[in-house]
Amino acid sequence: DAGVTQSPTHLIKTRGQHVTLRCSPISGHKSVSWYQQVLGQGPQFIFQYYEKEERGRGNFPDRFSARQFPNYSSELNVNALLLGDSALYLCASSFVGGRVLTGELFFGEGSRLTVL
Amino acid sequence: LAKTTQPISMDSYEGQEVNITCSHNNIATNDYITWYQQFPSQGPRFIIQGYKTKVTNEVASLFIPADRKSSTLSLPRVSLSDTAVYYCLVGDRADYKLSFGAGTTVTVRA
Repeated sequence: DAGVTQSPTHLIKTRGQHVTLRCSPISGHKSVSWYQQVLGQGPQFIFQYYEKEERGRGNFPDRFSARQFPNYSSELNVNALLLGDSALYLCASSFVGGRVLTGELFFGEGSRLTVL
Repeated sequence: LAKTTQPISMDSYEGQEVNITCSHNNIATNDYITWYQQFPSQGPRFIIQGYKTKVTNEVASLFIPADRKSSTLSLPRVSLSDTAVYYCLVGDRADYKLSFGAGTTVTVRA
């Protein structure tokens, strides 16, 4: 079975631009979460979606938004890019969701965003 | 967000046991505590998960005291391939946010 797939794997943008990152969960998983990982730091929680509804949001500005589609894939959008948005963006899927916050998360390899 | 604290780094030698403790408060009362391993340029990989007391699988053990304010990951007989960053992950009691620790870099030497 395919694992969590993310695209693109690498991309370079300039300040002020917009970026869309995509994630396909493992088949049967209904929960998707997004994380930002700056080099040398732990992943920072951005969003969690379960059954197409936002279940949780981390401390990120409104420039960050996400959605989950009927097939449970997800997009993360970042507007008005700043240099500080340069990071590895990780997507994770899980079978459990709802009121259970964690369960086992299966991570993709990430999308590495560089903002110049 | 729930606050988690882990040691920044730990050194060990092959064949030794490594214990990493994560302190966490305000975690969700109905949620699991989970540990992940991450190698450079890869996404984190699940190691073990527990709710309370002790859990053991083929690669690690997890000890969680009754108050659930900390958890200890135990890696028995580490090898060079266990050199990685290890994270604890908890959920926040108040607002259902997920919080990774800052990570513990474990370096295993021959």
